Amino acid sequence: DVKVTQSSRYLVKRTGEKVFLECVQDMDHENMFWYRQDPGLGLRLIYFSYDVKMKEKGDIPEGYSVSREKKERFSLILESASTNQTSMYLCASRGDRTNTGELFFGEGSRLTVL
Amino acid sequence: GQSLEQPSEVTAVEGAIVQINCTYQTSGFYGLSWYQQHDGGAPTFLSYNALDGLEETGRFSSFLSRSDSYGYLLLQELQMKDSASYFCAVRDEKSGGSYIPTFGRGTSLIVHP
Repeated sequence: DVKVTQSSRYLVKRTGEKVFLECVQDMDHENMFWYRQDPGLGLRLIYFSYDVKMKEKGDIPEGYSVSREKKERFSLILESASTNQTSMYLCASRGDRTNTGELFFGEGSRLTVL
Repeated sequence: GQSLEQPSEVTAVEGAIVQINCTYQTSGFYGLSWYQQHDGGAPTFLSYNALDGLEETGRFSSFLSRSDSYGYLLLQELQMKDSASYFCAVRDEKSGGSYIPTFGRGTSLIVHP
């Protein structure tokens, strides 16, 4: 069974803290994504990666960075967390050999910044 | 840029049929997907249309009209478990030839007994 695992389901951090959100997939997928989900705004793309050590900005990259040192792992980093980064963060992966472009999502990490 | 429009909420009764519409504006369009997300859960893929017409998968069907930049998800014989959020997503080409989906804001479907 395909699986995308996000290490933390719930996190509470303080303003200014550095935050790491980890995502691991076991499907040998080339592409990985980080989305942010807020009520009424849907899913907005933060960053994506199409290969190890490669990264591309999405629609809302400000305040975030990413790391992809291994194919199966894609990390989202908040260098200095702010209250407006309180949100649900969703990681997804996708293989190159897909006709449908289907994304496989993790369960999400709900981050609260106080 | 890309933009997608879908209703924010739809309500229906068990056993009924409901249609969730999605209109889009994008360049380099390749296809339209639908995802389902239950409260607290991960979005899961439902369907994908690259060509005009209707695709049926069990109780769910998805339709696309490329000339109208329009699609819909049709849910038949509604069940309580169909209460969820439904997202349309367009697949278009971004830099470097990557096909990146852009999601709509989601439609909350509430099914009443």
